[in-house]
Amino acid sequence: DAMVIQNPRYQVTQFGKPVTLSCSQTLNHNVMYWYQQKSSQAPKLLFHYYDKDFNNEADTPDNFQSRRPNTSFCFLDIRSPGLGDAAMYLCATSRGAAYQETQYFGPGTRLLVL
Amino acid sequence: GNSVTQMEGPVTLSEEAFLTINCTYTATGYPSLFWYVQYPGEGLQLLLKATKADDKGSNKGFEATYRKETTSFHLEKGSVQVSDSAVYFCALSDGSSNTGKLIFGQGTTLQVKP
Repeated sequence: DAMVIQNPRYQVTQFGKPVTLSCSQTLNHNVMYWYQQKSSQAPKLLFHYYDKDFNNEADTPDNFQSRRPNTSFCFLDIRSPGLGDAAMYLCATSRGAAYQETQYFGPGTRLLVL
Repeated sequence: GNSVTQMEGPVTLSEEAFLTINCTYTATGYPSLFWYVQYPGEGLQLLLKATKADDKGSNKGFEATYRKETTSFHLEKGSVQVSDSAVYFCALSDGSSNTGKLIFGQGTTLQVKP
């Protein structure tokens, strides 16, 4: 089945130690999104790629970076994780960026910062 | 700016009870509206959507009608089951941004007891 896959499902890192989260998709969608969801809160968009074009949200901290080496994969890099970065990170994809498009979410990676 | 407001939870119901979760929105233009469901420890799954006024989205016994005059998209189900216990997010996608960005409500936790 076509799907959005995130690895790992759980990630533990140390304060200040760089960490990379991975997302892959078999849907061949053009757009890939990264959301941050803190406990009991709504998901918040960090950035997205439309093909190779990177679009950062204005309030996304510089500590967060992303790479999309090809259509299928997208990575979220946190350069120096702080305790406040502990959250669920959700990857989503959509065929296009039009407002009618449905976003398909992966299962998420839960990040714990010690 | 664009925003989504949902009724606060948790909502606790007995099995086979009628469910309503209220959702209202503020948006420029004509957004698409979505309901996503999140089961414990998992990512978001699309439940239903509507892309224009008076559209009704439906899936798995859930329904919601896009009401432009009241800027609402209330979720309803005639008879809930224990397996419906989850967090429900209302969201909008505003075409003016041309990014497909989803704006989520704060989520409503539904607990269904046998």
